[in-house]
Amino acid sequence: DTGVSQDPRHKITKRGQNVTFRCDPISEHNRLYWYRQTLGQGPEFLTYFQNEAQLEKSRLLSDRFSAERPKGSFSTLEIQRTEQGDSAMYLCASTRGDSYEQYFGPGTRLTVT
Amino acid sequence: GIQVEQSPPDLILQEGANSTLRCNFSDSVNNLQWFHQNPWGQLINLFYIPSGTKQNGRLSATTVATERYSLLYISSSQTTDSGVYFCAVEATNAGKSTFGDGTTLTVKP
Repeated sequence: DTGVSQDPRHKITKRGQNVTFRCDPISEHNRLYWYRQTLGQGPEFLTYFQNEAQLEKSRLLSDRFSAERPKGSFSTLEIQRTEQGDSAMYLCASTRGDSYEQYFGPGTRLTVT
Repeated sequence: GIQVEQSPPDLILQEGANSTLRCNFSDSVNNLQWFHQNPWGQLINLFYIPSGTKQNGRLSATTVATERYSLLYISSSQTTDSGVYFCAVEATNAGKSTFGDGTTLTVKP
């Protein structure tokens, strides 16, 4: 396994701009999760996919956030009209279908100025 | 939703000391994992332990699902053990994990 990868690792953007993050799960992992982590807190669930189906979205995921997993492999998380409160680490995780054990990527650190 | 509480929030040890970190949760769970978050933010899997006891080197973990708690033991601590330790649980049929706020461990030489 090559592990979960995320791109970019760091993103600095101005308020009001749109940003998109990518997550590549471990090969053959059919569940993919997005979390957000702010300083001093544990990661908070945003959304998850089983294959290409988005099964749950947190109330944290406002209308400015959208996630896709079009072919059941990689996923993208887009934030439109970024706000300073969106500054956080965005983490992606994946699991095999027969296991609940999650494996995390290195995260994308977003700074909105 | 399920509540997860970790204690203590902060722990300072001298190198070589032992420690116990606790995770309490409010409902039955399918999954419980312990992670160590390194200074760059990467969450490193320590244990997948919805029940029972596991050991890996100087680390071991026990989950008593019926009493809704888990313990992480670190023996003969080293400075490289420093960092934040998270417990994450997935409530039955929840499909997502809920994390505690972590225990920040500092091991002094």
